Amino acid sequence: DQQVKQNSPSLSVQEGRISILNCDYTNSMFDYFLWYKKYPAEGPTFLISISSIKDKNEDGRFTVFLNKSAKHLSLHIVPSQPGDSAVYFCAASARAGNNRKLIWGLGTSLAVNP
Amino acid sequence: DARVTQTPRHKVTEMGQEVTMRCQPILGHNTVFWYRQTMMQGLELLAYFRNRAPLDDSGMPKDRFSAEMPDATLATLKIQPSEPRDSAVYFCASGSGRGTNYGYTFGSGTRLTVV
Repeated sequence: DQQVKQNSPSLSVQEGRISILNCDYTNSMFDYFLWYKKYPAEGPTFLISISSIKDKNEDGRFTVFLNKSAKHLSLHIVPSQPGDSAVYFCAASARAGNNRKLIWGLGTSLAVNP
Repeated sequence: DARVTQTPRHKVTEMGQEVTMRCQPILGHNTVFWYRQTMMQGLELLAYFRNRAPLDDSGMPKDRFSAEMPDATLATLKIQPSEPRDSAVYFCASGSGRGTNYGYTFGSGTRLTVV
C-alpha cells in the first residue's frame, strides 16, 4: 500500500516552460516532505524540503507547495532547463518516537526538451 | 564535497554466492540507511542505523540479508545466499538528522546482478 504516490510516471516539458511534478500522500501523520532528484547511475540528491507548518518553500527555480487538506504537494521548476531532466522522487516522514524514516514515491521521470 | 562511498559499483554473481556491499558514510553523520531500488517497488528501505545501532531492519529479508556497522566509517550489507530476485541497485545514504533539513546524502549505489 503506497503511502506516497506519484501518479505520473513521466512528464515531458519544453525548455523555458514550467514543470509541475505532483505527489499525494495518505498518512496524516507525515510532517516533513522532501524532493530528491536522481540522474542515471547516480544516487538520489536532495533538492528541496518543506515542513507541514508551511505551505510553500522556494529555492531558486524550485518551489514546493503543500496542501495539507488535500494531502498533496507539488514541485514547480521555473524555468525548466535540459539539465533538469532526471527522475524526481517525493518522500515523506513522520516522527515515531525518536526515529524518522522516509517513505518514498516511485518517482516521476522528467524530460526537458530543448 | 563530502560524499558517501559505496563499493563495489557493480557486482555480477551466481545464485547461491555470498555478496557483501560496503558503504563509507560521511564523516560525522550518525544515521546510515540501506535502500534497494527496483522498477516495481521504487526505493525500499532495508535497514537503518543511528550511532551504529540498528534501529529498523523490518524491510530486510532476515533469512538471507544482514546489515552491520562494525565502526562509524563502515556499513555493510550482506546477502547469503544470493538469489536472482535480489538483482537491484542498492543504495547507502547517511545523514546527521539535525536541524530542519532531513535530507540525506546518497552514495552512487551498487548494481547487483545475480544470475
